[in-house]
This record gives sequence, C-alpha cells and structure tokens, in this order.
Amino acid sequence: EAEVAQSPRYKITEKSQAVAFWCDPISGHATLYWYRQILGQGPELLVQFQDESVVDDSQLPKDRFSAERLKGVDSTLKIQPAELGDSAMYLCASSPNRGRSYNEQFFGPGTRLTVL
Amino acid sequence: AQSVAQPEDQVNVAEGNPLTVKCTYSVSGNPYLFWYVQYPNRGLQFLLKYITGDNLVKGSYGFEAEFNKSQTSFHLKKPSALVSDSALYFCAVRDGGGSNDYKLSFGAGTTVTVRA
Repeated sequence: EAEVAQSPRYKITEKSQAVAFWCDPISGHATLYWYRQILGQGPELLVQFQDESVVDDSQLPKDRFSAERLKGVDSTLKIQPAELGDSAMYLCASSPNRGRSYNEQFFGPGTRLTVL
Repeated sequence: AQSVAQPEDQVNVAEGNPLTVKCTYSVSGNPYLFWYVQYPNRGLQFLLKYITGDNLVKGSYGFEAEFNKSQTSFHLKKPSALVSDSALYFCAVRDGGGSNDYKLSFGAGTTVTVRA
C-alpha cells in the first residue's frame, strides 16, 4: 500500500540553527500539506500545495519558515533560524483530486523536532 | 470560519464495553467530517468520513460515526472496545463548499484508554 514518506523521523537541533524536512507524497497526489502538531494539540496547517503552487500559506511564519515543491512531487520544509517554540511534530499529508479517496488526506509518520 | 470541539480530553473504558468519542463542529457550508487516529510517535491514520448520504458512517477497525446536522455533531463509536484501540483520536472538518481548498480544521484530540 502506498504511503507518504518523511525524513528524518527525529531531529534535534540547537536554536538559531537551520533545519530541513523532506516529504514524498503518494504517487499521483496533486495536493500536499505540511502541518505542525504541538504536543497535546491537533495538527495546524502550515502550507498547502496544489502541484507546485502554494494554495494556502496564511499560517506559515514566513520570517523563518519556507516551503517548496519545485517539480510538484516531493517537498521540503525549512526553518531558519530554529527557535525553542518550534519544537513539535511536523506532519506531511497528501490527497488525490479524484477517485474513491477524494477528500481524504493521507499522513506520513512525521518528523519530531526538538530545539535545544 | 470552521472549527471542531472535542469536549473530552480523555475517555476511559473497559475492554468489551462500548466506546464513544464526542465531536461537535462549526462550518459555514456543508460539512465534510473526518475521524483520524494517532498512535505514539506516528502520523494520523484515517478512520472514516462523512461527505453526504447516510448519517451513519462505517469505517476501519469496527468504528462508526453518526452525523447529526441539528446538533452539529459527529460522534465516533465502537460497540465493543479493544485494548488496542487505546490511542489519540482527532475529529476534523472542512467546508464542502465546492472549492479546491481542502483545508482541514482539527480538534484538540481525545485520548482513549481501554483497560483490560
């Protein structure tokens, strides 16, 4: 069964350092999402892509966060510089635009970031 | 604006007893409703969805949920809980207004503990 891949699974960094997370969605899924999940809370959308275009990045802290999906397939989320409050689980999800699973989002295993 | 409320932080039941996890929602258009489950240090797994049709929706692992428009609720149920159902459960909603914006809003989550 196809899955969303994310790497790394765990990342520990010091504040003011740069970090990057990678996501490979399920093949053929045009829509890709990055969420941040703080411990004890539900996921919050950071950015949504439709193919290579950003659809929604209203909740992305653009002074330090950036996201790209250059070829409309895999995606990278970057934080520079990292702050203590960025410690969280970063989840990637993808969804198809048609078919039986239309409207469903399929989540990857996440990257747990700890900023020291 | 759209939002989800999960009024219970924790639900504790004995194995074999019925399990209910509550969810109420607010959305301006037609609600598309989802339940996801999350195990420790893992991504979210899709359980079931309501888009249209029958108010009682059946999903994975014996779970079902009932859409109640007048009460704006979408409670998750399982007739006989298993210890392996112990996990974190999230309800989510999006506005099914026909746009290509698939943005989901998640509740804060309910921790389910099933004791043997």
